[in-house]
Amino acid sequence: GENVEQHPSTLSVQEGDSAVIKCTYSDSASNYFPWYKQELGKGPQLIIDIRSNVGEKKDQRIAVTLNKTAKHFSLHITETQPEDSAVYFCAASSPSTDSWGKLQFGAGTQVVVTP
Amino acid sequence: DVKVTQSSRYLVKRTGEKVFLECVQDMDHENMFWYRQDPGLGLRLIYFSYDVKMKEKGDIPEGYSVSREKKERFSLILESASTNQTSMYLCASSPLDPTGDEQYFGPGTRLTVT
Repeated sequence: GENVEQHPSTLSVQEGDSAVIKCTYSDSASNYFPWYKQELGKGPQLIIDIRSNVGEKKDQRIAVTLNKTAKHFSLHITETQPEDSAVYFCAASSPSTDSWGKLQFGAGTQVVVTP
Repeated sequence: DVKVTQSSRYLVKRTGEKVFLECVQDMDHENMFWYRQDPGLGLRLIYFSYDVKMKEKGDIPEGYSVSREKKERFSLILESASTNQTSMYLCASSPLDPTGDEQYFGPGTRLTVT
């Protein structure tokens, strides 16, 4: 099955700097890669996703890049703000016959933005 | 506004008790999921369901069972709670899309088994 590795596990950045989180996946058939943000006391919420026919996607200060050859994808947050402090999860979905849209999640990255 | 609700935010149970965690979604989604979240391990799938009365094992089903009698409701059952089942439990739902789609999460239930 799919295996997703996420690095780093913790990331401290100064407000205004950029943050980058990287994930690798094992199943070359995976074709959907979402990123979730989990704030304290809440469930994860989708912030951006990318499909395998696209190399990069941006939404204001966040962007995701996908390298299918290397089987890795990254989340980029620019001009970080204190409200970006949260746990971020990457995930991958493989369209195998028994997956039914299941997601395999990475272990998560705790991002702390210091003023 | 889409919503997934879970029956309890915090729950304390004793070893050996039968525990029910309930999840309700109002988006008419086919898929529903139960995850367990532990520090450093991310979200691990316990069970999922793609239709009423249908269920599939996830990565860590041992010690758990599920029930889906109605489309909007998905229950996680711990038949005999043990201390190693102390964790955060998250429910999610999504449309039925084998190519992958957004999963909507509830706020979670923090279960402590003493």
